[in-house]
Amino acid sequence: AQSVTQLGSHVSVSEGALVLLRCNYSSSVPPYLFWYVQYPNQGLQLLLKYTSAATLVKGINGFEAEFKKSETSFHLTKPSAHMSDAAEYFCAVSDHHNQGGKLIFGQGTELSVKP
Amino acid sequence: DTAVSQTPKYLVTQMGNDKSIKCEQNLGHDTMYWYKQDSKKFLKIMFSYNNKELIINETVPNRFSPKSPDKAHLNLHINSLELGDSAVYFCASSFRANLYGYTFGSGTRLTVV
Repeated sequence: AQSVTQLGSHVSVSEGALVLLRCNYSSSVPPYLFWYVQYPNQGLQLLLKYTSAATLVKGINGFEAEFKKSETSFHLTKPSAHMSDAAEYFCAVSDHHNQGGKLIFGQGTELSVKP
Repeated sequence: DTAVSQTPKYLVTQMGNDKSIKCEQNLGHDTMYWYKQDSKKFLKIMFSYNNKELIINETVPNRFSPKSPDKAHLNLHINSLELGDSAVYFCASSFRANLYGYTFGSGTRLTVV
């Protein structure tokens, strides 16, 4: 069964610093992977996705993620954090033959940005 | 022009009551979902419908009953509400979710007192 693990339930960075949010997946087949962001009292918004094309994926708001099969990882990065990046971030996995298009979410990482 | 809209946004009710949450999408997607987000922010799928047909029915108490009158609507009815049902419920829709992911609604915060 597919699963994702997000290391660190809370990450704090200073404004302008590098953002690194970690996600490791477990899958018996090459997975499809997603990162979502949730701002307070809002729904989840898709940041970026990996669907077996380029391993370095660029998303919205300056975020990117790199798929590393050897490490079973899909970490999310942003070179310079903004105050507006403070939110909850979720990594999710699907698989090619997933009936009903089910996405399995990690437990989330709360990103805080200090001035 | 909201893509996935849920109503109500907030719902406060007493234990034992029956309540419904409605969801509508105008994206032309063929699959809709209900997810539950608990107090620790953990997201768990409850149901999935594809063109009005139930595809995914996770281990959810049978007090929860989804209904999809057409592929643009997916409602959630909950009978005999319990304190543990308090959570945020998200509706989502997709077309080929494996490739494109979901579009989420803004959620319904259910509080059972």
